[in-house]
Order: sequence, then C-alpha cells, then structure tokens
Amino acid sequence: SQKIEQNSEALNIQEGKTATLTCNYTNYSPAYLQWYRQDPGRGPVFLLLIRENEKEKRKERLKVTFDTTLKQSLFHITASQPADSATYLCALLPSPLDYKLSFGAGTTVTVRA
Amino acid sequence: EAQVTQNPRYLITVTGKKLTVTCSQNMNHEYMSWYRQDPGLGLRQIYYSMNVEATDKGDVPEGYKVSRKEKRNFPLILESPSPNQTSLYFCASSQTGLSEKLFFGSGTQLSVL
Repeated sequence: SQKIEQNSEALNIQEGKTATLTCNYTNYSPAYLQWYRQDPGRGPVFLLLIRENEKEKRKERLKVTFDTTLKQSLFHITASQPADSATYLCALLPSPLDYKLSFGAGTTVTVRA
Repeated sequence: EAQVTQNPRYLITVTGKKLTVTCSQNMNHEYMSWYRQDPGLGLRQIYYSMNVEATDKGDVPEGYKVSRKEKRNFPLILESPSPNQTSLYFCASSQTGLSEKLFFGSGTQLSVL
C-alpha cells in the first residue's frame, strides 16, 4: 500500500541549530512534493514545492531536498528560532495529473531559546 | 484578503442529526478539497472538486457528501453523523489542483456525541 512516513518523534532543538526532518514514501512515484507548516489549531500553510527533476530548493532559512532513488525528502531549517516551533507536514502528488494530494502525519518541532 | 473561510469553527452535535460545514474561497480557484485530521493519521482527503459540478471521492468519503454549484463554495454535508466522524476538518483550495500550493481554511472542530 502507499505510505508517507515522517519522523515519528517530535524534534527538540536549541535555537540557532539546524533542524532536519525526513519524509519517506513507499509505492509512490511522485511528480511533486510539498512541505507545509501547521500551528496548533490552525490550517496548514504552504512553504515549499520541489519537483522530481529538482534535487534541492531553498527559501530563506529553509531547504528541501528530493531523492527519488531513496524515495525521501529532507527538510532543513537553518539558524532555527523559537518562532519556527510548529508541526511540519510533507505532502505529495502521485502524478502530474493526479488531484489527490496525500499528506504525512507531520513532525512537531520545538525550538528552545 | 485572499482566504478560505470555513464555518462554523466549532460544532457539537448528536448522532444522526444532519449538518453542513460551509467553505468559501475568494481567489477564483478551480480546485477545492475537504480533509479531516486525526491524531497520528495526518490529513486525509474526503472529497475534492476540480471545478463547478465536478467532484470526486478522496481516500475517506464514506458518510460524507459534497456539492459544487458555484465556483466559490464547496459545502461538506454529513447526512447522519456518527461519533467516528468526530475530527478536525479543513477545506482547501488551489488554482488548478495540479502541483499547485493549497490554501487552507482555519478548520472546523466537530464533535459528534
């Protein structure tokens, strides 16, 4: 069956360090992968999209990599700040013409000052 | 302001009492979708709509109905709610639904007693 797995445990890091989150998938051949941020009680907010032919994407302190051989995406938050504390979700679109965006369960990040 | 508006924010009801959760977007998006979010399971797609009068089932459609008579509105209908439909519900929209980022509403916390 198709599955998306993110870090099963919450991530606690010190301010200024880099947080690295993983998103592994099985039985998908996604054309795209997206990352979202979700704060408690709020709807997810889009952060980054990476395509299958892109190895890396950056946006300010965020970096995403996409390895279709390993079937894995890594999400990095560099120089982390307490304001980065949230749950981060990965989502993938199985194919370019697929309307079903599937989500992982998310990884909760807490940045300590 | 571009937004997806869901109502109500909180809803407590009893088993079998029909209810409707409304969703409206002001971005002229073609694609709209409903998700439910449960602890440890992540976001699961209920139904989606590619455009007016075009809807299709997501991964967990049982017990739900939708309609898309106007481009901006996509209500979620529970004809006979049951306790296992207690969940946090999100409506989302995007320009076309294909590799586009999703804009989410603030969520509706539903409790079925």
